Amino acid sequence: EDQVTQSPEALRLQEGESSSLNCSYTVSGLRGLFWYRQDPGKGPEFLFTLYSAGEEKEKERLKATLTKKESFLHITAPKPEDSATYLCAVQFSGGYNKLIFGAGTRLAVHP
Amino acid sequence: DGGITQSPKYLFRKEGQNVTLSCEQNLNHDAMYWYRQDPGQGLRLIYYSQIVNDFQKGDIAEGYSVSREKKESFPLTVTSAQKNPTAFYLCASSKARGNTEAFFGQGTRLTVV
Repeated sequence: EDQVTQSPEALRLQEGESSSLNCSYTVSGLRGLFWYRQDPGKGPEFLFTLYSAGEEKEKERLKATLTKKESFLHITAPKPEDSATYLCAVQFSGGYNKLIFGAGTRLAVHP
Repeated sequence: DGGITQSPKYLFRKEGQNVTLSCEQNLNHDAMYWYRQDPGQGLRLIYYSQIVNDFQKGDIAEGYSVSREKKESFPLTVTSAQKNPTAFYLCASSKARGNTEAFFGQGTRLTVV
């Protein structure tokens, strides 16, 4: 069964304390892996797309990496405004553009 | 500004009522999607459409209906057959080819009263 699992469910960090969020997936024929940020009561905001193992993308304090079975979202020296839920989603061969989402990681960064 | 507009932001439904959620995009995207989000769960696909006048059921289509008469619009009707409709509903769109990242609207929160 195609599945996406994110860990941890929730993460609390002090401002400046770097960490990583994990997204593991079991799909047949990965076409793309997507990271989104979602603030409470809002729609997800697109962050990154990764297509192949070894690929990396960066944006400000965020860096996303991809292996054959998982992706990491590294947060370097986070600030309180980075607090949000981070969602991972995958597209797979045969699924057209359908996205399968993980349940998300709720990140809280405290000053 | 290009984007996806969902309305209303909040919607209240009485038992036995059908309600329609609006989704409009001006990104010139061919594909559009409806997702449902419940606390502690990932987004689940209700319906999607690749082109005008064509749509397919997603994973949880029972109790919902859609139409795609225009490229820009993909309204979702929550029917009385949906037994647990209280949720956050998200509309998204993407290109049909090439970079296919999906862009989302701001959501509609539906509550049964």
